[in-house]
Amino acid sequence: DQQVKQNSPSLSVQEGRISILNCDYTNSMFDYFLWYKKYPAEGPTFLISISSIKDKNEDGRFTVFLNKSAKHLSLHIVPSQPGDSAVYFCAGGIQGAQKLVFGQGTRLTINP
Amino acid sequence: DTEVTQTPKHLVMGMTNKKSLKCEQHMGHRAMYWYKQKAKKPPELMFVYSYEKLSINESVPSRFSPECPNSSLLNLHLHALQPEDSALYLCAVSTGVSGELFFGEGSRLTVL
Repeated sequence: DQQVKQNSPSLSVQEGRISILNCDYTNSMFDYFLWYKKYPAEGPTFLISISSIKDKNEDGRFTVFLNKSAKHLSLHIVPSQPGDSAVYFCAGGIQGAQKLVFGQGTRLTINP
Repeated sequence: DTEVTQTPKHLVMGMTNKKSLKCEQHMGHRAMYWYKQKAKKPPELMFVYSYEKLSINESVPSRFSPECPNSSLLNLHLHALQPEDSALYLCAVSTGVSGELFFGEGSRLTVL
């Protein structure tokens, strides 16, 4: 049972445009969500998080939107830069449960 | 500065070997994790240590044996592994209450 799903394995965006990465979840107990970025041969690095009490969180070029009724979240990157090319994972968790469940990842490629 | 350091970065072992993966953190966080990640798959949780005690074991085969000697160190002892155990093994730390995981760069394991 996949509790966190990223249905797009890959996404290609032109430099300077907006990148939108999507994530769906099934576990209604999740009360916080995170996005991670991963380069090849490196561990994932934390990008941005959102609590279930919010519907938006912004940090520089990165904005995460949460739609609890649809059990959907998205990561917006504006403007997209070549260095943003990486695999992006979304993850859901329950406060205090010490466990994150990751989606399968979306490979983002930013074209010059 | 890498605050979660994993060694070795690469390890090749035979099915009869005994080896260990090591993780050291300098963040003072009390929750430490082992994740396994196979190619094009999300990280999968293996073990969680909280205050140096094993708090979560995700039904991992006994050929993987974790150890937390102190609050800065986390080991994963490997014995009689199978070729399908070849993967990237990621160590992570967190405050243990909520929020992001901080990952190391991973140890790439190949079992022949």
